[in-house]
Amino acid sequence: AQSVTQPDIHITVSEGASLELRCNYSYGATPYLFWYVQSPGQGLQLLLKYFSGDTLVQGIKGFEAEFKRSQSSFNLRKPSVHWSDAAEYFCAVAPLNQGGKLIFGQGTELSVKP
Amino acid sequence: GAGVSQSPSNKVTEKGKDVELRCDPISGHTALYWYRQRLGQGLEFLIYFQGNSAPDKSGLPSDRFSAERTGESVSTLTIQRTQQEDSAVYLCASSLVPSLNTEAFFGQGTRLTVV
Repeated sequence: AQSVTQPDIHITVSEGASLELRCNYSYGATPYLFWYVQSPGQGLQLLLKYFSGDTLVQGIKGFEAEFKRSQSSFNLRKPSVHWSDAAEYFCAVAPLNQGGKLIFGQGTELSVKP
Repeated sequence: GAGVSQSPSNKVTEKGKDVELRCDPISGHTALYWYRQRLGQGLEFLIYFQGNSAPDKSGLPSDRFSAERTGESVSTLTIQRTQQEDSAVYLCASSLVPSLNTEAFFGQGTRLTVV
């Protein structure tokens, strides 16, 4: 069965520091992978997605993610974190031919220190 | 509308009562999804609609949960005889078509508390 694991429940980084949020997936075929962000009082917003091709994908708000098939990973990165990046981040995998439904990880809560 | 709208935003109900949660998708979006987010957990898929039919309802946790959709418009998620474990945020999303190539837009959710 497909699954997504986000090993870090909570991460704290200093403003201006780099960030990497981990995501590992379990899926038999080439996965469709997504990162969403959920800010307090806001709905989920799509940051970026990977379908095929270049394994380094760029997203909104300066985020990028790298697909590594050998490690079954799709880690999210940002070179310099801003205080407004404090939020909960969800990695998701989408099974093929299942109408676009998503299977989410448990989320990583990001706190940013001044 | 401009975005996916869910109502109510908060609902407190007594154990054993029935509740209805409403989702207004973005106009023209044929696909509509319901997810549940329990405290400290990720989102769990419940059901999705293509138009007013539900090709996949595999995520509904029990027969106390049901959902319907009128045409390509409003959807209602009904939970009968609510239990405390039903307490969660229920999120709705819509997309133009039920495909991975179209982005799903999420509402802000309904926070359900069963006391």
